[in-house]
Amino acid sequence: EAQVTQNPRYLITVTGKKLTVTCSQNMNHEYMSWYRQDPGLGLRQIYYSMNVEVTDKGDVPEGYKVSRKEKRNFPLILESPSPNQTSLYFCASSPRTSGGYNYEQYFGPGTRLTVT
Amino acid sequence: SQQGEEDPQALSIQEGENATMNCSYKTSINNLQWYRQNSGRGLVHLILIRSNEREKHSGRLRVTLDTSKKSSSLLITASRAADTASYFCAFRPYSGAGSYQLTFGKGTKLSVIP
Repeated sequence: EAQVTQNPRYLITVTGKKLTVTCSQNMNHEYMSWYRQDPGLGLRQIYYSMNVEVTDKGDVPEGYKVSRKEKRNFPLILESPSPNQTSLYFCASSPRTSGGYNYEQYFGPGTRLTVT
Repeated sequence: SQQGEEDPQALSIQEGENATMNCSYKTSINNLQWYRQNSGRGLVHLILIRSNEREKHSGRLRVTLDTSKKSSSLLITASRAADTASYFCAFRPYSGAGSYQLTFGKGTKLSVIP
């Protein structure tokens, strides 16, 4: 089954404790992205990746890191989480982009993160 | 912020009625997409309309795009209770070559009452 998986689905942690949220897709998509969703603010893009070893900032990259060492995986790293990073996080993937077009995104189920 | 704005923020209708929601944006775009999100779950792609298209249909969905007004609308005809969800527009703000950032609107929450 074609899908985007995220782990963990729920996470409660404390301020400053490094964490990683994993994202994996089995559709051989080149484009992958992380979003956070907060009430009243909609979805905001954190980072995206056009392909292996190619990443770029979205709207709200501060406090996050990403890496793309393999095509299928795109982990999100919070080196020193803070309470303002409490949010619902989504990973998404998309087929190859060309000519400036962003194609349809396939979303994972979400990771609800609470930082106390 | 170049985030899109959806209007209305919330919409409540009776089953069988049509639902219209709008999205406005501020920059030039290449295409615009609409997504649906059931409560707390991942978004599901509904339809993509390119900047050189004015209207597109998919089943009970009709999307229009007016690039001169920088706006798009999503019409759901003959709504069903199962259409209850939040709906988001998404687009790539034109910021030159090499940027594939995708921007979402804040969403319209649709409630369809049986």
